[in-house]
Amino acid sequence: AQTVTQSQPEMSVQEAETVTLSCTYDTSESDYYLFWYKQPPSRQMILVIRQEAYKQQNATENRFSVNFQKAAKSFSLKISDSQLGDAAMYFCAYRSAFSNTGKLIFGQGTTLQVKP
Amino acid sequence: DVKVTQSSRYLVKRTGEKVFLECVQDMDHENMFWYRQDPGLGLRLIYFSYDVKMKEKGDIPEGYSVSREKKERFSLILESASTNQTSMYLCASRGTGIPTQHFGDGTRLSIL
Repeated sequence: AQTVTQSQPEMSVQEAETVTLSCTYDTSESDYYLFWYKQPPSRQMILVIRQEAYKQQNATENRFSVNFQKAAKSFSLKISDSQLGDAAMYFCAYRSAFSNTGKLIFGQGTTLQVKP
Repeated sequence: DVKVTQSSRYLVKRTGEKVFLECVQDMDHENMFWYRQDPGLGLRLIYFSYDVKMKEKGDIPEGYSVSREKKERFSLILESASTNQTSMYLCASRGTGIPTQHFGDGTRLSIL
């Protein structure tokens, strides 16, 4: 069975600085998707970034980028130029490309605090 | 933009009550999901549905059932609520062939 682990329950960063959130996963499959979701205090889960395992190039969305290391089964999220609005809980999630359910397997979450 | 609407943000019920959590999506998505979110555990899948009247159990279905009579609506039912079902419940939907799920705002349910 696949598992996703986020080993940092809480992180903090100074406004305008860069922070990296860690995520590791375990799978025997060769094709899958990885996601980072953000859950602000308003509670709606928002997709931050998505990575397809067959793509070697790391995904980037504006200030958000990932470091995808397939062999190491690592998928970290880098937030550059942190803003107060980045404060939220961040979840890493895995989805098998072969799954007929499309279910997501989530990590435990990392709460990010942004200090002014 | 996809809109997934959960009927209640907060709900307080008593032990033994039958509880209904409603979720509606406006994008004609075939797939809908119910997750439960608990501190330190992330989100865990309770049930999902891939079509009207079709459903499959997720990882933690015990104590729950679901109903999908119309494509846009997916209901989670707690047949006889218990205190260990106090949690945050999140609904999501996804179009076929699209890997990304879209989430509602969540319902924080307290069972007293």
